[in-house]
Amino acid sequence: EPEVTQTPSHQVTQMGQEVILRCVPISNHLYFYWYRQILGQKVEFLVSFYNNEISEKSEIFDDQFSVERPDGSNFTLKIRSTKLEDSAMYFCASRDTGTSGVNEQFFGPGTRLTVL
Amino acid sequence: LAKTTQPISMDSYEGQEVNITCSHNNIATNDYITWYQQFPSQGPRFIIQGYKTKVTNEVASLFIPADRKSSTLSLPRVSLSDTAVYYCLVGEFNQAGTALIFGKGTTLSVSS
Repeated sequence: EPEVTQTPSHQVTQMGQEVILRCVPISNHLYFYWYRQILGQKVEFLVSFYNNEISEKSEIFDDQFSVERPDGSNFTLKIRSTKLEDSAMYFCASRDTGTSGVNEQFFGPGTRLTVL
Repeated sequence: LAKTTQPISMDSYEGQEVNITCSHNNIATNDYITWYQQFPSQGPRFIIQGYKTKVTNEVASLFIPADRKSSTLSLPRVSLSDTAVYYCLVGEFNQAGTALIFGKGTTLSVSS
């Protein structure tokens, strides 16, 4: 069964450093998302991406965040200057064309980001 | 977005049927109801989606009354592996690209 993959599984960084989290969505999917979950808290939406541009973003997704689809397979989240409060599990998700009318988003296993 | 309310936690035993009810009094005409499941240290996983009446798949059933102000996720004969957090979400999920806005969910604990 196709699945969303994410690398690395765990990233440790120093405050102020830039990090890039990588995701490979399911190959025929067209909508891509990033969510994060701070330990013990709820899953929070960050951004959605379609047709090579951001379609929606939350207030969490400020200027220090950016997303990119550099090629036909990868989808990345960059955090420009990490802060302690960016420590969280970051999930990538993707979905298909949506013609089924069912919003089934497929989530990856996550990247645990630890900012020291 | 319609606000959802669901129990914080539930306990059950293996083999029992579990029903988790979600309230969404302000659901809009175009809104659908969808449920996700999350195991510890994993991403959420889609369970089921519905608009009205009853939807059933190989994993669960979703019951939605006529006024659509609540919904009930039914898990038949749970096992230990069904221990997880279950999220009820409401939104225009027939629209492609709609973000998922999660609440705190219901933590289901299944014991032997």
